[in-house]
Amino acid sequence: GAVVSQHPSRVICKSGTSVKIECRSLDFQATTMFWYRQFPKKSLMLMATSNEGSKATYEQGVEKDKFLINHASLTLSTLTVTSAHPEDSSFYICSARTNMANTIYFGEGSWLTVV
Amino acid sequence: DAKTTQPPSMDCAEGRAANLPCNHSTISGNEYVYWYRQIHSQGPQYIIHGLKNNETNEMASLIITEDRKSSTLILPHATLRDTAVYYCIVSGAGGTSYGKLTFGQGTILTVHP
Repeated sequence: GAVVSQHPSRVICKSGTSVKIECRSLDFQATTMFWYRQFPKKSLMLMATSNEGSKATYEQGVEKDKFLINHASLTLSTLTVTSAHPEDSSFYICSARTNMANTIYFGEGSWLTVV
Repeated sequence: DAKTTQPPSMDCAEGRAANLPCNHSTISGNEYVYWYRQIHSQGPQYIIHGLKNNETNEMASLIITEDRKSSTLILPHATLRDTAVYYCIVSGAGGTSYGKLTFGQGTILTVHP
């Protein structure tokens, strides 16, 4: 099946710094990708919809200036956590929708730890 | 997206079939039923999806009731590696909301020897 890859899988950063997470669709073009975050023992929460060539659409309560999303190509979306704080520590997951049989695939996830 | 209701946990013996139920009584006519599972510290893995008809692939079978208000995911021969959280999600397949999945709490399936 289609593959979605995230990088890095784990990252540790200092408070106040920014960190970028990449989401790539490896064998298909994805005009739309989605970013989720997941806290321990909780379910996934949608953060934003990333649209190639246009601005991302953020869910209510998600700070767009803190979580910068760029979808510059049909195979790459990036999430940048700016001025990270310990409470931003979480599991970040992306997904991409395909035009094949209405299927949506997820990346492996990226663990962010802010110290 | 329509809401789904799943039991919080289920057990299954290794080698036996695991039948995971899901209620989605408010599903709309154009909404698909998707099943994903998540093993600890990994991204959700796609299992199967369907609209009206029953579906089968190499991983599982999906049985959707005729009124589409509920469905059952069947893992025919569960193994220890099938222990995971299973999510049943309904979502439209077209328009701007396509691909935008709302996750509930899912069912924790534990397969034991």
